[in-house]
Amino acid sequence: AQTVTQSQPEMSVQEAETVTLSCTYDTSENNYYLFWYKQPPSRQMILVIRQEAYKQQNATENRFSVNFQKAAKSFSLKISDSQLGDTAMYFCAFMKWGGSEKLVFGKGTKLTVNP
Amino acid sequence: NAGVTQTPKFQVLKTGQSMTLQCAQDMNHNSMYWYRQDPGMGLRLIYYSASEGTTDKGEVPNGYNVSRLNKREFSLRLESAAPSQTSVYFCASSPLQGGNTGELFFGEGSRLTVL
Repeated sequence: AQTVTQSQPEMSVQEAETVTLSCTYDTSENNYYLFWYKQPPSRQMILVIRQEAYKQQNATENRFSVNFQKAAKSFSLKISDSQLGDTAMYFCAFMKWGGSEKLVFGKGTKLTVNP
Repeated sequence: NAGVTQTPKFQVLKTGQSMTLQCAQDMNHNSMYWYRQDPGMGLRLIYYSASEGTTDKGEVPNGYNVSRLNKREFSLRLESAAPSQTSVYFCASSPLQGGNTGELFFGEGSRLTVL
């Protein structure tokens, strides 16, 4: 079974600075997806960024980028120019390619952006 | 554009009572899911349905039943509620089975308290 580990329960960053959230995972699969989801206080789950395991290039979405290290089974999220609206819980998630598309989540990192 | 709609958003039950959480999606997605979210635990899969007419157990299915009524609707039933089922419940859906982009679309969540 796949597992996802987020070792930082809470983090904080000053507005406009950069912060990196860590995620490691364990799997014997070769083809899979990795995701970062954001959950603001509104409780809505929002997809931040997605990475396909077969792609060597790291995914980027505006101020959000990942550092995907397949051999190390590491998938960190970097948030640049942090904004107050980035305050949220962030969940790392794994999905095996094909099959039933079940997402396996980490326990989350609570990020607070301070003014 | 409704996306994934869950009802009710809040519910208080007494131990032993039954209730059904309703979920509907208007995106013509094949797969649907029920997750529960507990503090410090991330999201854990209760049941999922890869297509209309099929359902399968996830990580924490005990105490729950599901029905995939049609392609749009996927309900979660608690037959005899227990305090351990106090949680926030999320319904989600995703597009075509196998080879899709892997993204899940989530409802806004339902907060259930069992006294």
